[in-house]
Amino acid sequence: SQQGEEDPQALSIQEGENATMNCSYKTSINNLQWYRQNSGRGLVHLILIRSNEREKHSGRLRVTLDTSKKSSSLLITASRAADTASYFCATELNTGNQFYFGTGTSLTVIP
Amino acid sequence: DVKVTQSSRYLVKRTGEKVFLECVQDMDHENMFWYRQDPGLGLRLIYFSYDVKMKEKGDIPEGYSVSREKKERFSLILESASTNQTSMYLCASRGRATIYEQYFGPGTRLTVT
Repeated sequence: SQQGEEDPQALSIQEGENATMNCSYKTSINNLQWYRQNSGRGLVHLILIRSNEREKHSGRLRVTLDTSKKSSSLLITASRAADTASYFCATELNTGNQFYFGTGTSLTVIP
Repeated sequence: DVKVTQSSRYLVKRTGEKVFLECVQDMDHENMFWYRQDPGLGLRLIYFSYDVKMKEKGDIPEGYSVSREKKERFSLILESASTNQTSMYLCASRGRATIYEQYFGPGTRLTVT
C-alpha cells in the first residue's frame, strides 16, 4: 500500500514549544500535502509541497520533503492550545487524482 | 471560500437499508472524492469522480456505489448497509490541476445497527 505513515502517533507538548511530526511513504509522488483535523470535523488543508521542492513555509508551519528518503516532516513553531488536532499527510501519485492518507499524528498542546 | 456540504452530520440506519450520503460543492470543481475514516486506519478512498457521470474506484469500493449526475453533487450509496460500514464518511472536492488541495466537508458519522 502507498499509505503514508505518520510518526509519532501521538504527541503532547507545552504551549510555546515546537511540534515536529514525520511522514513516510513508499512510491514516487507528485506532491505531498498536510491536513489538520479537529475532533469530529472534516480535514483542513495546511500546506502542499511539490516533489521538486525541498522546503516550504507558511506562517508558523515549516514542511520539508526528502524524496530520496521518501519522507516529509511538519514543524509547528511556538505552538498554541488551538493547534490541538490530528495532523495527516497525504501523498498524490504521479498518475494523479488518488490521494493516500497516513493514519495521523494526534497533537495535544497543553496551555 | 470553498464550501463542501454533506447532507447529514449524524445518521443511524439499520442493517440492510439503502443509504444515500450526499455531498455538494459550490466551487465548480471537477474532482470529487468519498473517503471513510476509521480509527487506526486513517482515511481510505472509496470512489472518486473527475467529471460528471465519470467515476473511478478507490481502495475500498466494495459495498458502495456512487452517482454524479451534476457537477456540484456527488452521492455515495450503500446498497445494503452492514454493521462494518459504521464509520465517518468524508467528502472532498478539488479543482482540475494537481497543484490544488482538496476541500473537505464536515463529515457524516454513520452508525449501522
